[in-house]
Amino acid sequence: GAGVSQSPSNKVTEKGKDVELRCDPISGHTALYWYRQRLGQGLEFLIYFQGNSAPDKSGLPSDRFSAERTGESVSTLTIQRTQQEDSAVYLCASSLGWGALTGELFFGEGSRLTVL
Amino acid sequence: GQQLNQNPQSMFIQEGEDVSMNCTSSSIFNTWLWYKQDPGEGPVLLIALYKAGELTSNGRLTAQFGITRKDSFLNISASIPSDVGIYFCAGQRSGNTPLVFGKGTRLSVIA
Repeated sequence: GAGVSQSPSNKVTEKGKDVELRCDPISGHTALYWYRQRLGQGLEFLIYFQGNSAPDKSGLPSDRFSAERTGESVSTLTIQRTQQEDSAVYLCASSLGWGALTGELFFGEGSRLTVL
Repeated sequence: GQQLNQNPQSMFIQEGEDVSMNCTSSSIFNTWLWYKQDPGEGPVLLIALYKAGELTSNGRLTAQFGITRKDSFLNISASIPSDVGIYFCAGQRSGNTPLVFGKGTRLSVIA
């Protein structure tokens, strides 16, 4: 498709399990972001990939969180040993990675994670 | 980390009224953007501002990039029911730094 695609759209898991969330960015977009949005809250920055540069991981809340990106395509956000406070919508966004348009993000619909 | 203070947190207005919300920061951003999020969806870009002092309109929406580069506002004129949603400001320091978002303004429009 033409937009950012995320899967799964909904995930319910038990505390302590690992989860993987996937993001397919818009073709040609070299920048990719992951944000977390808790219920009724704003967007919390997690990690940022820009082309072949080292990712900016400054927003990852703990070492249970990690993300990878294959070249300039698919990204996977992994949460190990999930906790109830990890319950949130995880939003992925992509943008052109050059020039003045790098801030114009296109978001997916998010993956809603519920940890029981 | 960098913080954006967005006000108000929520607004209840009558259909047809104008709306104003703002965003401030203690540090300089070189790009300011405004996004809207509808329930169950990801945010969508409304307006992007690239130059201090810039005033940009998109239909009934008008946004300004503050001259100090530490603030921005968004106005919505003649509100309609479909304006309901959460409006986020966002700032970017430079082209290779991540976007920082405010906590959002939740807008409710009473018909």
